[in-house]
Amino acid sequence: EAGVTQFPSHSVIEKGQTVTLRCDPISGHDNLYWYRRVMGKEIKFLLHFVKESKQDESGMPNNRFLAERTGGTYSTLKVQPAELEDSGVYFCASSQNRAYEKLFFGSGTQLSVL
Amino acid sequence: AQSVTQLGSHVSVSEGALVLLRCNYSSSVPPYLFWYVQYPNQGLQLLLKYTTGATLVKGINGFEAEFKKSETSFHLTKPSAHMSDAAEYFCAVTHTGGFKTIFGAGTRLFVKA
Repeated sequence: EAGVTQFPSHSVIEKGQTVTLRCDPISGHDNLYWYRRVMGKEIKFLLHFVKESKQDESGMPNNRFLAERTGGTYSTLKVQPAELEDSGVYFCASSQNRAYEKLFFGSGTQLSVL
Repeated sequence: AQSVTQLGSHVSVSEGALVLLRCNYSSSVPPYLFWYVQYPNQGLQLLLKYTTGATLVKGINGFEAEFKKSETSFHLTKPSAHMSDAAEYFCAVTHTGGFKTIFGAGTRLFVKA
């Protein structure tokens, strides 16, 4: 069974540019989450999809961040325009049922904004 | 609001020594508690979880954790550290009906030969 896949693994961009991160969850997992970890701090929740619908986007930092989940399958997280403070590791996770069951994580995308 | 505090960003133990990683949480409702581990260049993976029932939970690789409601703690232990245990460990909390899992800042475990 394939795990959660994230692409790219690393991205280096300049301030003001646009970056799009992609996440492919485990097949059949309705729940998809985005998290971010900045500078070795806690892993912070960004948002949660159930199939193609945004269930909770309370953790999205501002309107420069846009997440989509096409047809309830893969998801993208776009940052436009990127700022220095957006640097960090972006994790995607998926689960079949509720979050308290188990989260399956991808390896993350290391984003560096220069 | 829920939160998680992990005491010690870095812990160093000798191979064969006891591993103790501390986690305290705050939650206004009965919590579900987790420990995840992240090895280099990999995603987080579940070590163990507490939902209901027995407060001493056993996980993979010889780890266990005890839920202590009175102390709002969920410390992770392993009797004898192995070199392969070197990784970063995250404590996390959610609750019934909750989709949002709250993570601590992580504790990096170093194991000395």
